Amino acid sequence: ETGVTQTPRHLVMGMTNKKSLKCEQHLGHNAMYWYKQSAKKPLELMFVYSLEERVENNSVPSRFSPECPNSSHLFLHLHTLQPEDSALYLCASSPRTGREQYFGPGTRLTVT
Amino acid sequence: GQNIDQPTEMTATEGAIVQINCTYQTSGFNGLFWYQQHAGEAPTFLSYNVLDGLEEKGRFSSFLSRSKGYSYLLLKELQMKDSASYLCAVRAGGYQKVTFGIGTKLQVIP
Repeated sequence: ETGVTQTPRHLVMGMTNKKSLKCEQHLGHNAMYWYKQSAKKPLELMFVYSLEERVENNSVPSRFSPECPNSSHLFLHLHTLQPEDSALYLCASSPRTGREQYFGPGTRLTVT
Repeated sequence: GQNIDQPTEMTATEGAIVQINCTYQTSGFNGLFWYQQHAGEAPTFLSYNVLDGLEEKGRFSSFLSRSKGYSYLLLKELQMKDSASYLCAVRAGGYQKVTFGIGTKLQVIP
C-alpha cells in the first residue's frame, strides 16, 4: 500500500455524534495536514503537524480536535458538529513543511 | 495575509494550448505550486517554482515572475482528460505556510 490513505471515505453523522477521521501516509514524510474543502471556496488549511508537533492551527473551532501519534498517522476527532461543517476533508503529507503535498482521497462528511 | 487570484472557469479545445494565470499578493513569498484536481478526486502535485522563469515538465509548463507576483500554468496539446480544476498555491512566511487559491475549472471540448 502506498501514498496517503483516509478512512472512512464517506461519513454521515448527527450533530450530537462523536466520530474520528483517520489518515495514514506511507511516504516517509515528516509533515501532515488537514484541509477542509467546501464548494466554491479555496482549500482551507486546518492543522499542520511537523514531526508530530502541531505547528499550525488556523483558528479552527474546538469541535475539531487533531491528533498525531506518530509521523505516519493523523486523526481528526469530531464532536457536536454543525451542518455547515459538511464538506470534503482532505489529509495531505509532505517531506517537510512547505514542500509539495500529497493528498489522500478525502472523507466526504455530511452533518445532519 | 495573502491574496491569490485566478480565473474561476476556462474553456479550451482539444489539441490546443491554454494558459491559466495566477496572481498573488503576499509578504515573505518563497515558492508557488500548481495542483490538478479532477472532480471528486484529491489534488495532485503538478509543479513548483521558486525562482523566476519557466519550468517545463512534459505537456505542462509553469512560469513565475516574483517581481510581478504572477505565475501561469501552460498546458499544451490539450486532451479531454485535462478537464479538471487547477489550483495555484503560494508558500510564504517563516514557517513555510502554503495558501491555496480557489482554483480554475478548465473544460476541454472536442
